[in-house]
Amino acid sequence: AQSVTQLDSQVPVFEEAPVELRCNYSSSVSVYLFWYVQYPNQGLQLLLKYLSGSTLVESINGFEAEFNKSQTSFHLRKPSVHISDTAEYFCAVSPEGGKLIFGQGTELSVKP
Amino acid sequence: GAVVSQHPSWVICKSGTSVKIECRSLDFQATTMFWYRQFPKQSLMLMATSNEGSKATYEQGVEKDKFLINHASLTLSTLTVTSAHPEDSSFYICSARGVLNTEAFFGQGTRLTVV
Repeated sequence: AQSVTQLDSQVPVFEEAPVELRCNYSSSVSVYLFWYVQYPNQGLQLLLKYLSGSTLVESINGFEAEFNKSQTSFHLRKPSVHISDTAEYFCAVSPEGGKLIFGQGTELSVKP
Repeated sequence: GAVVSQHPSWVICKSGTSVKIECRSLDFQATTMFWYRQFPKQSLMLMATSNEGSKATYEQGVEKDKFLINHASLTLSTLTVTSAHPEDSSFYICSARGVLNTEAFFGQGTRLTVV
């Protein structure tokens, strides 16, 4: 079985500051790793994913995440956040071809 | 990217009535669809997984007779909440994955309020 732990339920940060949202997972099999973003009263949008290969993956809006197999982590980072990044962020894992298992979510609040 | 459309985006119904929510994949064939329920300030709880043409697989604790899932075509799945009660009020989200996809794509969600 797989599980995902997002270590911070809320992360307040000032605009233009760097941010890291932490995610740890456990699994006995190889998994795909994902970060999704959810804006209020909306569905989830894929931010980035790790399937294989380079352990550092990037999104088009400046986010990046690094897969660390030894620490079973997939932390999400952004060097400079904007007000528009305020949202709920979910880390998720799935065994290849299997169902998504979500973490509890991290509420990122960017303040001016 | 792939688009999943969920309808309606919000619905209010009377206690005891049934509500149907549709989830459509617009530009790909969804061999697998997932239905989630999300409570305020909480994560997504997987309710069931459905493969086209097969019966849905429900997660433990989810009443299959209350939450009817149909996945009759490769582009459409429906969730029917039967005899809805106020405790069924929630945000329901579907997602779809095609045979060539490594990730699932999500609909916009449906806010159900039972009064």
